[in-house]
Amino acid sequence: AQSVAQPEDQVNVAEGNPLTVKCTYSVSGNPYLFWYVQYPNRGLQFLLKYITGDNLVKGSYGFEAEFNKSQTSFHLKKPSALVSDSALYFCAVRDEGRRALTFGSGTRLQVQP
Amino acid sequence: NAGVTQTPKFQVLKTGQSMTLQCAQDMNHEYMSWYRQDPGMGLRLIHYSVGAGITDQGEVPNGYNVSRSTTEDFPLRLLSAAPSQTSVYFCASQGAPGNTIYFGEGSWLTVV
Repeated sequence: AQSVAQPEDQVNVAEGNPLTVKCTYSVSGNPYLFWYVQYPNRGLQFLLKYITGDNLVKGSYGFEAEFNKSQTSFHLKKPSALVSDSALYFCAVRDEGRRALTFGSGTRLQVQP
Repeated sequence: NAGVTQTPKFQVLKTGQSMTLQCAQDMNHEYMSWYRQDPGMGLRLIHYSVGAGITDQGEVPNGYNVSRSTTEDFPLRLLSAAPSQTSVYFCASQGAPGNTIYFGEGSWLTVV
């Protein structure tokens, strides 16, 4: 079975500071990893994904994520946070044999001006 | 560029009523799915379909039915609504495996 853990319900960071949103996963085969962002009363928007290749993946809005196979982690990062980055962030995983995603419980990012 | 379209956006139902959440995509995607989102639980898969005429159960299928008569449409039916089905529902579609999954804007359902 595949699973995802986002250990922090909320992350607070000051504008201009770097941010990290944590994600760890468990799959039986090779993982496909995704980050999505959700703004209030909206659907989920795709940020980035890791399928194969370079462990550092760059995505939308200046976000990036690092795939670490030994630690089974896929943390989301941004060098300099913006107030407009405040939203709910979801990590998701599926193994290569399935189509359905398994989502983490979400992390609320609050960027203070 | 419509993408994934869900209707209605908001609905209030009485316990025992039935209704259908509509989902349509215009990207010719084979794979479609329905998730529900509840506070602190992320998104949980209800049902999914890998193509027209093929559906299967996800993690939380009880109380819901689906059908896939066309590639474009994947409606979700609540047979007899219960307060436990109060949630936000998201439809999603995907092309080839490994491709990005696209989500609709969500349907907010309250069962009283």
